[in-house]
Amino acid sequence: EVQLVESGGGLVQPGGSLRLSCAASEFTFNSYGMDWVRQAPGKGLEWISYISIDSSTIYYAGSVKGRFTISRDNAKNSLYLQMRSLRAEDTAVYYCARWVGDYYYIDVWGKGTTVTVSS
Amino acid sequence: SYELTQPPSVSVSPGQTASITCSGHKLGDKYPSWYQQKPGQSPVLVIYHDDKRPSGIPERFSGSKSGSTATLTISGTQAMDEADYYCQAWDSSTVVFGGGTKLTVL
Repeated sequence: EVQLVESGGGLVQPGGSLRLSCAASEFTFNSYGMDWVRQAPGKGLEWISYISIDSSTIYYAGSVKGRFTISRDNAKNSLYLQMRSLRAEDTAVYYCARWVGDYYYIDVWGKGTTVTVSS
Repeated sequence: SYELTQPPSVSVSPGQTASITCSGHKLGDKYPSWYQQKPGQSPVLVIYHDDKRPSGIPERFSGSKSGSTATLTISGTQAMDEADYYCQAWDSSTVVFGGGTKLTVL
């Protein structure tokens, strides 16, 4: 079964940093672009970043640009999100997601990891 | 920045047809997708590329597009279809989600 498993979430103080990881299994990881999508408590889905299969193309939402860094390690079938200068408004469930570039959609989602930014 | 607009809520009686709309500038030139999210769960893809249904998604889910509006239609709605639904499109190197529609089956 195709699977994405996020980890690394937790409680962090404002201004702090956190690194999320996503372990992919049962599919050819280096054949897919990947995304991070978040969902604040009681709110809708917010896309935050995309990375291409070879890391040559990276996009960020304006709300995180300059603070978050997406990366991947195809040898380890893993996706990462380095988050810095965290704010209260970054509090959310963070989902790792598999991107289908041919028709511009997400076909697989992880279960998410929760990030809480609070003092 | 690009925006997709959905009604906040839609109500439907069991067995009836529910329609959820998603509007956006020149959406007709894009390939909208739809996701279902039940409380405490991850989103699930139910429609991609306007009107294509992934394997495992019931036939009662269908998608269409006309002009700048995409529509998710659920025929013969069941209680298990009660969920939040999000449309999504790709624009200018960003993934854009609509604000979501809460479907209530009552």
